[in-house]
Formats: sequence, structure tokens, C-alpha cells
Amino acid sequence: DIQLTQSPSSLSASVGDRVTITCQASQDISNYVNWYQKKPGKAPKLLIYDASNLESGVPSRFSGSRSGPDFSFTISSLQPDDIATYFCLQYESVPHTFGQGTKLEIK
Amino acid sequence: QVQLVQSGAEVKKPGTSVKISCKASGYNFIDFFIHWVRQAPGQGLEWMGILNPVDGDTTYAERLKGRLTMTRDRSTNTVYMELSSLTSEDTAVYYCARAGSKVGDSWGQGTLVTVSS
Repeated sequence: DIQLTQSPSSLSASVGDRVTITCQASQDISNYVNWYQKKPGKAPKLLIYDASNLESGVPSRFSGSRSGPDFSFTISSLQPDDIATYFCLQYESVPHTFGQGTKLEIK
Repeated sequence: QVQLVQSGAEVKKPGTSVKISCKASGYNFIDFFIHWVRQAPGQGLEWMGILNPVDGDTTYAERLKGRLTMTRDRSTNTVYMELSSLTSEDTAVYYCARAGSKVGDSWGQGTLVTVSS
């Protein structure tokens, strides 16, 4: 199975900060990574698909990129509404696998 | 608009089974696979399996094989997820999500399953 190692597991930042989360794949998965936002009591929300494409309706402060097996997710200017847990997902092959999640908090 | 509406919360005894439904609307049902994902309390997201609504073909996570069954009813655009031999470790919120060119662009609202004696 393909493993996704997500880091950090938690992150505390100030409003306006640039925040970056990474997922490292255990093998080549091309661009088959999505990023989701998960708030308590809510379903996951797709933010970035195919590593770097912004989902329709998602603010442009969210972005994604890939460098080899490393995938990055960035919030360019953290807003209070961004408090959530963020997950990466690989769907290059089944079983699909999620990263462990990054819990984002405001300082 | 696209909607996935799941059945309500369940409380089950250990050793029993639970069956959750996910009714799709607002799109052509057979054009999108359906995934099931769960989140146990305080834990991350766990991918459980995928169903092709065209032919009902399924792929399950290895650790759930033998206990997990996904089915669909094309006449009602509904997908079902049944998990048997429940233990307390199966206490979680269960989500269905559709997958076409974008995986997980629409999700059900979640169904809480509590396994307790």
C-alpha cells in the first residue's frame, strides 16, 4: 500500500501568516493527491485536487504543489475561518490512503 | 445541486451489523464512483472502500475485508455500506463521497455509528 507521511501533526500560527503542510508519498503517485479541510461535525471539504488545482469556490489563498514524491499545501494568509484539520489523500491506486492530518490552530 | 444524503445515527451492540445508506441526487448516478470513509473519535480519516455504481464492482481496504459489503440500487440512486461483527473500534462517523474526475468533491453529511454494550 502507498503510504503518505504528513507533517506537521499540529501547527499554531497567527492570522496573516503563511502556513505550509507537506505530504510525502512512499512511491511515485504522479499528481494523484487531493487536500481536504475537515472541521468538527462537518464533512471533509475538497480544497485542492490533482496536487495543484484549486476547487471551484475555494479562496485563492489556498494552493498546492508537487516536487517529486513531496506534496505541499499552503495557506498564503491565514484567516480565522481556516481553523480546521487538513488531510492529504492519494488516489493513484487502491487502497486510497490519507495522511495523518494536520491540526491548525490560531496563536 | 449535487447531494449525498445519508441515513441517521445508529447505536449497535458488539457483534452485530450496521447498514448505512447514501442517496445521491443532482447528477447522473452511474457517472461517479462512491467511496466510504470513516473517522473514529479523535482519529484521522480512514478510507474504507469504493463502489462502481455501473456494475456494483467493489474494492475494500484489506483490514475490513470479510466484514465490509458495499451495494447499490440503481433504481433509487442509493449506495449501501454494511459492516458486520462490530466492535468498539468501529465507533466512528461514516461518510460517503463521490469520485469522478475529482475524488471527494461532494460528501454525505456523515452518519455516527456507536458500538456499545
